[in-house]
Amino acid sequence: QKEVEQNSGPLSVPEGAIASLNCTYSDRVSQSFFWYRQYSGKSPELIMSIYSNGDKEDGRFTAQLNKASQYVSLLIRDSQPSDSATYLCAVNPSKSNYQLIWGAGTKLIIKP
Amino acid sequence: GAVVSQHPSRVICKSGTSVKIECRSLDFQATTMFWYRQFPKQSLMLMATSNEGSKATYEQGVEKDKFLINHASLTLSTLTVTSAHPEDSSFYICSARDGASGGSQQFFGPGTRLTVL
Repeated sequence: QKEVEQNSGPLSVPEGAIASLNCTYSDRVSQSFFWYRQYSGKSPELIMSIYSNGDKEDGRFTAQLNKASQYVSLLIRDSQPSDSATYLCAVNPSKSNYQLIWGAGTKLIIKP
Repeated sequence: GAVVSQHPSRVICKSGTSVKIECRSLDFQATTMFWYRQFPKQSLMLMATSNEGSKATYEQGVEKDKFLINHASLTLSTLTVTSAHPEDSSFYICSARDGASGGSQQFFGPGTRLTVL
Protein backbone atom coordinates (compact mmCIF):
# COMPACT_ATOMS: atom_id res chain seq x y z
CA GLN A 1 0.00 0.00 0.00
CA LYS A 2 1.51 3.28 -1.12
CA GLU A 3 0.96 5.83 1.63
CA VAL A 4 1.85 9.36 2.46
CA GLU A 5 1.35 10.43 6.03
CA GLN A 6 1.11 13.83 7.63
CA ASN A 7 0.11 15.04 11.05
CA SER A 8 -3.33 16.57 10.61
CA GLY A 9 -2.66 19.31 13.16
CA PRO A 10 -3.64 21.97 13.68
CA LEU A 11 -0.10 23.23 14.08
CA SER A 12 -0.08 26.60 15.77
CA VAL A 13 2.96 28.83 15.26
CA PRO A 14 3.49 32.42 16.38
CA GLU A 15 3.95 35.04 13.71
CA GLY A 16 7.59 35.46 12.75
CA ALA A 17 8.60 31.99 13.90
CA ILE A 18 9.60 28.99 11.78
CA ALA A 19 6.82 26.55 10.87
CA SER A 20 7.98 22.98 10.30
CA LEU A 21 5.75 20.56 8.43
CA ASN A 22 6.62 16.91 8.05
CA CYS A 23 5.61 14.10 5.73
CA THR A 24 6.61 10.46 5.52
CA TYR A 25 6.07 8.11 2.63
CA SER A 26 6.11 4.36 2.35
CA ASP A 27 7.22 3.69 -1.24
CA ARG A 28 11.01 3.62 -1.19
CA VAL A 29 11.34 4.12 -4.95
CA SER A 30 9.38 7.37 -4.99
CA GLN A 31 10.83 9.87 -7.40
CA SER A 32 9.24 13.27 -6.97
CA PHE A 33 7.93 15.17 -3.99
CA PHE A 34 5.68 18.19 -3.81
CA TRP A 35 4.24 20.56 -1.26
CA TYR A 36 0.93 22.24 -2.01
CA ARG A 37 -0.87 24.90 -0.04
CA GLN A 38 -4.66 24.93 0.12
CA TYR A 39 -6.65 27.78 1.58
CA SER A 40 -10.12 26.98 2.85
CA GLY A 41 -12.57 26.72 -0.03
CA LYS A 42 -9.84 27.01 -2.66
CA SER A 43 -7.92 24.55 -4.80
CA PRO A 44 -4.34 23.46 -4.04
CA GLU A 45 -1.45 25.63 -5.14
CA LEU A 46 2.04 24.27 -5.78
CA ILE A 47 4.59 25.66 -3.32
CA MET A 48 7.67 23.53 -3.77
CA SER A 49 8.94 20.53 -5.64
CA ILE A 50 12.00 18.49 -4.69
CA TYR A 51 13.59 15.53 -6.39
CA SER A 52 16.97 14.85 -4.76
CA ASN A 53 18.24 14.52 -1.21
CA GLY A 54 19.01 17.70 0.66
CA ASP A 55 17.51 21.13 0.93
CA LYS A 56 15.86 23.32 -1.66
CA GLU A 57 15.13 26.92 -0.83
CA ASP A 58 12.67 29.32 -2.45
CA GLY A 59 12.16 32.57 -0.62
CA ARG A 60 10.81 31.86 2.86
CA PHE A 61 10.20 28.21 2.00
CA THR A 62 12.70 25.36 2.30
CA ALA A 63 11.92 21.80 1.32
CA GLN A 64 14.05 19.03 2.77
CA LEU A 65 14.20 15.49 1.41
CA ASN A 66 15.75 12.44 3.03
CA LYS A 67 15.15 9.38 0.87
CA ALA A 68 16.96 7.03 3.24
CA SER A 69 14.55 7.92 6.03
CA GLN A 70 11.65 8.41 3.63
CA TYR A 71 10.58 11.79 4.78
CA VAL A 72 10.15 15.19 3.28
CA SER A 73 9.60 18.38 5.20
CA LEU A 74 8.69 21.99 4.54
CA LEU A 75 10.04 24.87 6.58
CA ILE A 76 8.42 28.28 6.46
CA ARG A 77 10.58 31.06 7.86
CA ASP A 78 9.21 34.32 9.22
CA SER A 79 5.69 32.87 9.29
CA GLN A 80 2.91 35.27 8.39
CA PRO A 81 -0.81 35.04 9.15
CA SER A 82 -1.33 34.65 5.38
CA ASP A 83 0.56 31.35 5.60
CA SER A 84 -2.35 29.91 7.58
CA ALA A 85 -3.67 27.12 5.37
CA THR A 86 -3.63 23.37 4.94
CA TYR A 87 -0.37 22.05 3.51
CA LEU A 88 -0.56 18.93 1.40
CA CYS A 89 2.37 16.63 0.77
CA ALA A 90 2.26 14.72 -2.52
CA VAL A 91 4.56 12.00 -3.79
CA ASN A 92 4.99 10.51 -7.24
CA PRO A 93 6.04 6.92 -6.69
CA SER A 94 7.09 6.09 -10.22
CA LYS A 95 8.22 7.76 -13.41
CA SER A 96 5.85 5.61 -15.42
CA ASN A 97 2.74 6.77 -13.63
CA TYR A 98 2.11 10.45 -13.17
CA GLN A 99 -0.45 10.08 -10.43
CA LEU A 100 0.38 11.65 -7.10
CA ILE A 101 -0.19 9.99 -3.76
CA TRP A 102 -1.55 12.62 -1.38
CA GLY A 103 -1.21 13.08 2.33
CA ALA A 104 -4.28 14.18 4.25
CA GLY A 105 -2.71 17.58 4.92
CA THR A 106 -1.55 19.53 7.94
CA LYS A 107 -3.54 22.54 9.01
CA LEU A 108 -1.20 25.40 9.91
CA ILE A 109 -2.33 28.36 11.98
CA ILE A 110 -0.08 31.39 12.32
CA LYS A 111 -1.05 33.43 15.35
CA PRO A 112 -0.44 37.20 15.20
CA GLY B 1 2.84 30.04 -16.81
CA ALA B 2 1.05 26.75 -16.04
CA VAL B 3 -2.42 28.21 -15.68
CA VAL B 4 -5.44 25.96 -15.51
CA SER B 5 -8.96 27.32 -15.74
CA GLN B 6 -12.15 25.60 -14.72
CA HIS B 7 -15.73 26.49 -15.54
CA PRO B 8 -18.18 26.98 -13.98
CA SER B 9 -16.83 27.93 -10.58
CA ARG B 10 -20.12 27.23 -8.90
CA VAL B 11 -23.26 25.42 -9.99
CA ILE B 12 -26.54 24.64 -8.31
CA CYS B 13 -28.81 22.13 -9.99
CA LYS B 14 -31.85 20.02 -9.35
CA SER B 15 -31.59 16.35 -8.60
CA GLY B 16 -31.61 14.25 -11.76
CA THR B 17 -29.99 16.81 -14.04
CA SER B 18 -26.56 16.54 -15.63
CA VAL B 19 -23.76 19.00 -15.09
CA LYS B 20 -20.72 19.51 -17.30
CA ILE B 21 -17.49 20.96 -15.91
CA GLU B 22 -14.73 22.17 -18.21
CA CYS B 23 -11.04 22.19 -17.43
CA ARG B 24 -8.59 24.01 -19.68
CA SER B 25 -4.84 24.41 -19.67
CA LEU B 26 -4.28 27.95 -20.90
CA ASP B 27 -0.57 28.14 -21.63
CA PHE B 28 0.65 24.57 -21.94
CA GLN B 29 -0.36 21.28 -23.44
CA ALA B 30 -1.80 18.95 -20.85
CA THR B 31 -1.12 15.39 -21.91
CA THR B 32 -2.59 14.16 -18.65
CA MET B 33 -5.42 15.64 -16.65
CA PHE B 34 -6.77 14.53 -13.31
CA TRP B 35 -10.16 14.94 -11.71
CA TYR B 36 -10.51 15.14 -7.95
CA ARG B 37 -13.38 15.45 -5.55
CA GLN B 38 -13.10 16.98 -2.11
CA PHE B 39 -15.75 16.88 0.59
CA PRO B 40 -15.67 19.47 3.40
CA LYS B 41 -12.72 19.07 5.77
CA GLN B 42 -11.49 16.02 3.87
CA SER B 43 -8.50 15.45 1.67
CA LEU B 44 -8.40 15.29 -2.10
CA MET B 45 -9.81 12.13 -3.60
CA LEU B 46 -8.66 11.21 -7.08
CA MET B 47 -11.58 10.22 -9.26
CA ALA B 48 -9.91 9.56 -12.59
CA THR B 49 -6.90 10.14 -14.77
CA SER B 50 -7.35 11.08 -18.39
CA ASN B 51 -4.84 11.13 -21.19
CA GLU B 52 -5.53 13.05 -24.36
CA GLY B 53 -7.24 10.92 -26.96
CA SER B 54 -7.82 7.88 -24.79
CA LYS B 55 -10.35 6.66 -22.30
CA ALA B 56 -10.07 7.83 -18.74
CA THR B 57 -8.86 5.52 -16.01
CA TYR B 58 -11.20 5.60 -13.05
CA GLU B 59 -10.29 4.95 -9.46
CA GLN B 60 -11.92 2.12 -7.60
CA GLY B 61 -15.41 3.00 -6.47
CA VAL B 62 -15.93 5.79 -9.02
CA GLU B 63 -18.74 5.02 -11.45
CA LYS B 64 -17.56 5.70 -14.99
CA ASP B 65 -21.11 5.86 -16.32
CA LYS B 66 -22.01 8.51 -13.80
CA PHE B 67 -18.88 10.62 -14.12
CA LEU B 68 -18.18 10.92 -17.82
CA ILE B 69 -14.76 12.25 -18.72
CA ASN B 70 -13.69 13.43 -22.12
CA HIS B 71 -10.17 14.61 -22.93
CA ALA B 72 -10.50 15.35 -26.61
CA SER B 73 -7.67 17.85 -26.94
CA LEU B 74 -4.40 18.71 -25.28
CA THR B 75 -5.96 21.72 -23.59
CA LEU B 76 -9.45 20.60 -22.64
CA SER B 77 -10.98 17.93 -20.47
CA THR B 78 -14.59 17.76 -19.37
CA LEU B 79 -16.30 16.01 -16.50
CA THR B 80 -20.03 15.41 -16.78
CA VAL B 81 -21.90 14.39 -13.66
CA THR B 82 -24.93 12.56 -15.00
CA SER B 83 -28.21 12.35 -13.12
CA ALA B 84 -26.76 14.25 -10.20
CA HIS B 85 -28.06 13.58 -6.70
CA PRO B 86 -27.54 15.47 -3.44
CA GLU B 87 -24.75 13.09 -2.41
CA ASP B 88 -22.79 14.26 -5.47
CA SER B 89 -22.59 17.74 -3.98
CA SER B 90 -18.90 18.40 -3.56
CA PHE B 91 -15.92 20.48 -4.65
CA TYR B 92 -14.64 19.13 -7.98
CA ILE B 93 -11.11 20.09 -8.94
CA CYS B 94 -9.15 19.33 -12.07
CA SER B 95 -5.41 19.35 -12.45
CA ALA B 96 -3.13 19.08 -15.42
CA ARG B 97 0.38 17.88 -16.09
CA ASP B 98 2.57 19.66 -18.57
CA GLY B 99 3.69 16.90 -20.91
CA ALA B 100 6.59 18.93 -22.26
CA SER B 101 8.17 19.20 -18.83
CA GLY B 102 8.38 15.45 -18.38
CA GLY B 103 7.64 15.94 -14.70
CA SER B 104 4.78 14.79 -12.52
CA GLN B 105 3.85 18.06 -10.87
CA GLN B 106 0.21 18.97 -11.26
CA PHE B 107 -1.29 22.41 -11.70
CA PHE B 108 -4.76 22.84 -10.37
CA GLY B 109 -7.79 24.65 -11.67
CA PRO B 110 -9.74 26.81 -9.21
CA GLY B 111 -12.38 24.14 -8.67
CA THR B 112 -16.13 23.85 -9.18
CA ARG B 113 -18.47 23.78 -6.24
CA LEU B 114 -21.47 21.63 -7.12
CA THR B 115 -24.64 21.76 -5.07
CA VAL B 116 -27.42 19.35 -5.98
CA LEU B 117 -30.79 20.21 -4.51
